[in-house]
Amino acid sequence: SQQGEEDPQALSIQEGENATMNCSYKTSINNLQWYRQNSGRGLVHLILIRSNEREKHSGRLRVTLDTSKKSSSLLITASRAADTASYFCATDHVSGSRLTFGEGTQLTVNP
Amino acid sequence: GAVVSQHPSWVICKSGTSVKIECRSLDFQATTMFWYRQFPKQSLMLMATSNEGSKATYEQGVEKDKFLINHASLTLSTLTVTSAHPEDSSFYICSARRQTWDEQYFGPGTRLTVT
Repeated sequence: SQQGEEDPQALSIQEGENATMNCSYKTSINNLQWYRQNSGRGLVHLILIRSNEREKHSGRLRVTLDTSKKSSSLLITASRAADTASYFCATDHVSGSRLTFGEGTQLTVNP
Repeated sequence: GAVVSQHPSWVICKSGTSVKIECRSLDFQATTMFWYRQFPKQSLMLMATSNEGSKATYEQGVEKDKFLINHASLTLSTLTVTSAHPEDSSFYICSARRQTWDEQYFGPGTRLTVT
């Protein structure tokens, strides 16, 4: 069963603004990953953060992980219309096991 | 590197027929492949995990006789939807992993429409 929860479910912002999405989970993880999915397309892997890491950057993306609160956030800075997509977090709870996906956040960046 | 392909990218079939979807790891050998289903505006739901040369492990609620999975080689896994019905219409996505400590690499997905 899916145990990741994401909020907000939908987010609409203007180009240039920052977008923050949150993900919470229930059991201990080895790592947490963020993916983007354009409508009707496959998943694009954005970033992986391990349980012993607190923050990670990749270009305009910044991911934080708070294992004490069992939560993660994805920040997209200086958003662009092309960032419009659904964003999912996925948790790896036991090394080598399957990923559990969150419900996703639909981000719309208005030009 | 680590490219996963799916074929076909979309398929329309009539109710009662069977459809086979292929998942290939193009530039690496995948010891494990995963099959997911995604309904519109929903998240990915894991259907089954398959290891090369052994039977697939299905998630609770997924009918193994309806969704036949074969992982005959280290680069190919197939999902066959047998006796498809309109409620099987969905987006099917596979992923592949080299080793247990590796990340999963996702295919582009297959849109199945059953009429």
